[in-house]
Amino acid sequence: DAGITQSPRHKVTETGTPVTLRCHQTENHRYMYWYRQDPGHGLRLIHYSYGVKDTDKGEVSDGYSVSRSKTEDFLLTLESATSSQTSVYFCAISQGVRELFFGEGSRLTVL
Amino acid sequence: DQQVKQNSPSLSVQEGRISILNCDYTNSMFDYFLWYKKYPAEGPTFLISISSIKDKNEDGRFTVFLNKSAKHLSLHIVPSQPGDSAVYFCAASANSGNQFYFGTGTSLTVIP
Repeated sequence: DAGITQSPRHKVTETGTPVTLRCHQTENHRYMYWYRQDPGHGLRLIHYSYGVKDTDKGEVSDGYSVSRSKTEDFLLTLESATSSQTSVYFCAISQGVRELFFGEGSRLTVL
Repeated sequence: DQQVKQNSPSLSVQEGRISILNCDYTNSMFDYFLWYKKYPAEGPTFLISISSIKDKNEDGRFTVFLNKSAKHLSLHIVPSQPGDSAVYFCAASANSGNQFYFGTGTSLTVIP
């Protein structure tokens, strides 16, 4: 199993509060990704990183920011959580575009 | 605009029969395709992949077929087993890029 750890695994928060999800890898992979999974939408890319301090937007980046200060950590921040951000969030890592490994997911509920 | 499409949200198959899951894509730059399997409350796990230079890749009970002219791929599971019941995602990537594009998933139920 790829060494990917997501935290927290479950979180309930209120609208308007900031939330940070953490992804930690032990594989030294270059690329890290944040996806959200919603019924009827599959897996949609929020942001990704191609190196330390190098990040780019995905297809559903509004309302989210990311940071990668170390190779092993990729943080996803919701500055002011909304109910539409209730979802399951998956971190993934890769060395290129021929393989992608996922974490176990973080379930976020925004009340 | 969805570049990878899985038009069947769900599929039910009898145990022992063949399961066929379909996937279509629109971007001709895609040259690598992957299938992932996802159980509830777990992360997606890699199942099988295929490069655009091939039209078939087989791994045990799982075979992926690629039809580049039709921009279509399919995953065949033979024989289907109850443990195969899961959501299956199709994904595509381009060697010139650094992203993976996923379909919306097909929920497979294998009936004992």
